[in-house]
Amino acid sequence: EDQVTQSPEALRLQEGESSSLNCSYTVSGLRGLFWYRQDPGKGPEFLFTLYSAGEEKEKERLKATLTKKESFLHITAPKPEDSATYLCAVQAWGQNFVFGPGTRLSVLP
Amino acid sequence: KAGVTQTPRYLIKTRGQQVTLSCSPISGHRSVSWYQQTPGQGLQFLFEYFSETQRNKGNFPGRFSGRQFSNSRSEMNVSTLELGDSALYLCATSLSGPPNTEAFFGQGTRLTVV
Repeated sequence: EDQVTQSPEALRLQEGESSSLNCSYTVSGLRGLFWYRQDPGKGPEFLFTLYSAGEEKEKERLKATLTKKESFLHITAPKPEDSATYLCAVQAWGQNFVFGPGTRLSVLP
Repeated sequence: KAGVTQTPRYLIKTRGQQVTLSCSPISGHRSVSWYQQTPGQGLQFLFEYFSETQRNKGNFPGRFSGRQFSNSRSEMNVSTLELGDSALYLCATSLSGPPNTEAFFGQGTRLTVV
């Protein structure tokens, strides 16, 4: 059965304090790994798709990387507006997304 | 371009009633997936529709059903509501569905069952 875990469950950072979020997965036949950001009371907002080990993608202060068993979302010099829940999801071939529980990030000014 | 639109945004229903939620996809998107999000279980897949056909279904009871119309708009129905059905219901749309590249979510419908 496909599974996704995320750590830490919650993370508090000072503005400018860089850190990484982890997404560990087990899936038979990875088609893609997806990162989403979700603000309270809103739907998830698409950030990145990663397809193969070694792939990296960047967007502003965020950088996502992928290995065969996990993905990291690196946040460089975060700002308070980066506060949100970050969700990781995997997709096996022909299947729908399996989401992790998310990491709740708080960036304090 | 317009995003994914879900209506209504908020809903309060009584146990035993039924409810219908609506999702209008981004123009050109033919795949619509539905998810239930609760604090305890996170995001759980309900079902996916493509070209008016259900292609995938998650592990939810038969009280949860859906359909898709020829214009790709989708509806989700929950019958005989239970307290545990209180959740944020999200739909996500994509061009073609799995194996897709990107799925875009609506704002969700917050259902409260009392």
